[in-house]
Amino acid sequence: GQQVMQIPQYQHVQEGEDFTTYCNSSTTLSNIQWYKQRPGGHPVFLIQLVKSGEVKKQKRLTFQFGEAKKNSSLHITATQTTDVGTYFCAGRASTGGTSYGKLTFGQGTILTVHP
Amino acid sequence: DTEVTQTPKHLVMGMTNKKSLKCEQHMGHRAMYWYKQKAKKPPELMFVYSYEKLSINESVPSRFSPECPNSSLLNLHLHALQPEDSALYLCASTKFRGGGGQDTEAFFGQGTRLTVV
Repeated sequence: GQQVMQIPQYQHVQEGEDFTTYCNSSTTLSNIQWYKQRPGGHPVFLIQLVKSGEVKKQKRLTFQFGEAKKNSSLHITATQTTDVGTYFCAGRASTGGTSYGKLTFGQGTILTVHP
Repeated sequence: DTEVTQTPKHLVMGMTNKKSLKCEQHMGHRAMYWYKQKAKKPPELMFVYSYEKLSINESVPSRFSPECPNSSLLNLHLHALQPEDSALYLCASTKFRGGGGQDTEAFFGQGTRLTVV
């Protein structure tokens, strides 16, 4: 079945440093989504990427989707303490069948920001 | 209203108990999901309902029984659970089951933190 690998598992940064998390799928994706889960909270949607090579920005966050639609990254510039949480990528398979539309989550990257 | 509401927020149950988790959304979404999440792990898909019909069952043990009474409600009936079933149970909804460019974001509820004793 489809697997989505995400690295690193943990990242500790000083406030103001940059942060990047990477996602790789074993199969070509229809699209990829990114979610943030604060400690004790629930996943909250950040963004969806659909097109090959797509790049989207949200303030200090930059999201990329690879040309082959099998990998993605999230980069945060100048982290703040409010960025603390777990960042998950989630990919949807591009093939049909019984798993059509199934969203497979990566393992997540737990980000700690030290003030 | 862009909320998915789950009740209860916390639940402690014995291994012989029967309980139900409830989920409600009023966004007109036609796909609803149950996920199980253990600490420091990603959400793990259990069931998908599309247009009130069960579309995906990820080989979940029969002690978990989903139900979708209407397009706004999703229940998860629990019976004879084991301590290893203790986890955060998340409900989510999307406009459609998804795929391709029509995909939309998943809205998650705050979850039910379940402890089986």
